[in-house]
Amino acid sequence: DGGITQSPKYLFRKEGQNVTLSCEQNLNHDAMYWYRQDPGQGLRLIYYSQIVNDFQKGDIAEGYSVSREKKESFPLTVTSAQKNPTAFYLCASSRPSGNTEAFFGQGTRLTVV
Amino acid sequence: QKEVEQNSGPLSVPEGAIASLNCTYSDRGSQSFFWYRQYSGKSPELIMFIYSNGDKEDGRFTAQLNKASQYVSLLIRDSQPSDSATYLCAVYYYGQNFVFGPGTRLSVLP
Repeated sequence: DGGITQSPKYLFRKEGQNVTLSCEQNLNHDAMYWYRQDPGQGLRLIYYSQIVNDFQKGDIAEGYSVSREKKESFPLTVTSAQKNPTAFYLCASSRPSGNTEAFFGQGTRLTVV
Repeated sequence: QKEVEQNSGPLSVPEGAIASLNCTYSDRGSQSFFWYRQYSGKSPELIMFIYSNGDKEDGRFTAQLNKASQYVSLLIRDSQPSDSATYLCAVYYYGQNFVFGPGTRLSVLP
């Protein structure tokens, strides 16, 4: 089955630690995205990538980093510089054309302990 | 900055009624428009997409787009308790990314 896999589903981070969230897709999509969702809020864009080895900052990129070394993978690192990382993180992918939807993974819930 | 706005709700309707959800967007360069449904703690799932002005119907759902007014709506006919969720409006900008609204929480009362 084609889809997007995010792991882990739940992640706990200690203060000062970096953590990496995994996102893998087998839909052969060129574009991939990372969104953050806080309780009762909409989705805010962290980073996006339209092609391998290239990515752009979204609205809230500070404290996060990404890489796009393979078409199917777009990991997100939450660094210690991100002061309030507790949130629900969603990875998505799409074809790079106008008439396309975003397909979402199941999300990773990150909690700072 | 590209913005998408929605009434946060909650919007409460009785079972069997029509639920009307509205969305406005700021940038006329928008390309495609989407409605996603999100249950609590889950990821969004696509309900409808619309690319051209006018109405698009799919079962109990109708999406309406008016590019001149920069307005998108979603009508849910014969609302069911299982429709209770948050509905996210999204706008796709070609070659860039999807911008999401804050979502409208819908509650369908039995």
